[in-house]
Amino acid sequence: EIVLTQSPATLSLSPGERATLSCGATQNVGTSLAWYQQKPGQAPRLLIYDSSTRATGIPARFSGSGSGTDFTLTISSLEPEDFAAYYCQHRTEWPPGATFGPGTKMDIK
Amino acid sequence: QVQLVESGGGVVQPGRSLRLSCAASGFTFSNYGMHWVRQAPGKGLEWVAVVSSDGGTTYYADSVKGRFTISRGNSENTLYLQMNSLRTEDTAEYYCTKEGAATKARYAFDIWGQGTMVTVSS
Repeated sequence: EIVLTQSPATLSLSPGERATLSCGATQNVGTSLAWYQQKPGQAPRLLIYDSSTRATGIPARFSGSGSGTDFTLTISSLEPEDFAAYYCQHRTEWPPGATFGPGTKMDIK
Repeated sequence: QVQLVESGGGVVQPGRSLRLSCAASGFTFSNYGMHWVRQAPGKGLEWVAVVSSDGGTTYYADSVKGRFTISRGNSENTLYLQMNSLRTEDTAEYYCTKEGAATKARYAFDIWGQGTMVTVSS
């Protein structure tokens, strides 16, 4: 069973700063990794899939990288609306279940 | 537009049952695998169950195996989650979510419903 870890658990930054969030997998997952943003009271929103491809409508300040067991979500210059929780996720063809990381909560410094 | 709308949540006593529904619109429902994901209050996301596009294959998290049943009605564009023998630890917001297309976000969840809250309490 693949387990995802995320660091840091909490990140305090200011608007305009650069954010770097990490996700680690206990086994090689290739590039089958996605990132989601979740704001309080809202459903998660897909940001990045296949490790580095932005989903439709996602601003260019969001970028993803990595392969194998180490992945990074970078927000180049934080906007006020970016302060939220972020989750990484992995899924395979079989078994067809999914795994989420524990999340990183980003708040305003 | 592409939309998923959950319903059926509520307050239920431990040991009782509840059935959630998720109405899909704006896409060809029968082409996609569908999942349920839940989130306990103040906690992270937990994957619950998946059903294949034709309904023939299902798979569950160990925490719900034997108690929950996922199914779908492709003619009515609806996903279901039958929850039996509910426990207090099943208290969560339940989201239905759609797999991405085979050529785009295949292993991700590209559309999410707004969620429906299930509270298991005596």
